[in-house]
Amino acid sequence: DTVLTQSPGTLSLSPGERGTLSCRASQSVSSSYLAWYQQKPGQAPRLLIYGASSRATGIPDRFSGSASGTDFTLTITRLEPEDFAVYYCQQYGRAWTFGQGTKVEIK
Amino acid sequence: QVQLQESGPGLVRPSETLSLTCTVSGDSIRTYYWTWIRQPPGKGLEWIGYIYYSGSTDYNPSLKSRVTISADTSMNQFSLKLSSVTAADTAMYYCARGTYYYGVDVWGQGTTVTVSS
Repeated sequence: DTVLTQSPGTLSLSPGERGTLSCRASQSVSSSYLAWYQQKPGQAPRLLIYGASSRATGIPDRFSGSASGTDFTLTITRLEPEDFAVYYCQQYGRAWTFGQGTKVEIK
Repeated sequence: QVQLQESGPGLVRPSETLSLTCTVSGDSIRTYYWTWIRQPPGKGLEWIGYIYYSGSTDYNPSLKSRVTISADTSMNQFSLKLSSVTAADTAMYYCARGTYYYGVDVWGQGTTVTVSS
């Protein structure tokens, strides 16, 4: 199985700040099959990024994704109040797996 | 607009089989992947498995011996069966649509299943 390790576990930031979330894969993952999701309390996850760097429909451009080898990054350029949530990466190649999540909380 | 709705018992006894159904509206299950994902209380997401429109399936290796996902194209539904459940199977269970390119792009609202005697 491909293990995805997200860091940090919790990110404490203020509105307007930049957030950088990491997802490292235990083995090669095609960038075509790496996604990021946002989940707020009591809600189902929402797709943000697919193919490592493509924004899903309706996702603001302050969200961006990038890839370098087995390292994937989600960047939120200027945090809005509604962005404080838990973020998960997922690989959807063979035998899908999720990272354990990064909580972005208000500092 | 594609919508998914989970249904099934909210309480299952230990050692019994958990059974859930997902009803899809606004799309045909004769396309895409149709998947089950769960989330134990206060924890992260765990992929359970999917059924492809062709009827082929793939399961999380850690659950494979206990999981069956099937589809009823006439009802536009797909189902999950998880056998020999324990308290560790207590979770929010989501059904969702998976795609080859976009990941999981449509989610149901989720249904809570508690395993307890």
